[in-house]
Amino acid sequence: SQQGEEDPQALSIQEGENATMNCSYKTSINNLQWYRQNSGRGLVHLILIRSNEREKHSGRLRVTLDTSKKSSSLLITASRAADTASYFCATDNNNDMRFGAGTRLTVKP
Amino acid sequence: NAGVMQNPRHLVRRRGQEARLRCSPMKGHSHVYWYRQLPEEGLKFMVYLQKENIIDESGMPKERFSAEFPKEGPSILRIQQVVRGDSAAYFCASSPTANTGELFFGEGSRLTVL
Repeated sequence: SQQGEEDPQALSIQEGENATMNCSYKTSINNLQWYRQNSGRGLVHLILIRSNEREKHSGRLRVTLDTSKKSSSLLITASRAADTASYFCATDNNNDMRFGAGTRLTVKP
Repeated sequence: NAGVMQNPRHLVRRRGQEARLRCSPMKGHSHVYWYRQLPEEGLKFMVYLQKENIIDESGMPKERFSAEFPKEGPSILRIQQVVRGDSAAYFCASSPTANTGELFFGEGSRLTVL
């Protein structure tokens, strides 16, 4: 079944640096979403990008979508220690969303 | 407007017992999704339900697992005769529509099977 795959699996950066996470998927989509999960908590929706959009911004977040390459990227600019979390991309699969294994981001103060 | 409520947050069961996990979706949401997450892994889709209907249960094991979302009351994920491999965090999400927009997640129920 359709499922996004994030890359890298883990990323460690210093506060103030930018963090880029990538997501690849296999079949056509209607939309792609990014979620964040703090350790031991539920997922929180960050941003949704539709298949006819190429780029979207929300605060310090920038998401791109390349449907020809079946890939998306999430950029977090000027990272903060509080951005430490796991980040998942999710792609629609008929009526539900399928998630990848996530990128674990650590931002060191 | 309360978010998605899951209970219990933590559940300990011995092998062979039954586990019942409950999920109350956000007010006005009639679509519920259950996911399972093993430590350090992503979420695996289990089942998608609308009120009184199972829409997609392709991710749910054929045996021992069942789910329902009755007309009144919360959605329930039931695991019979639990085994150690069932130990995981089970997350419920809800949405107001079926067009795979934003999902709203609960905080999860963590099942430990001894």
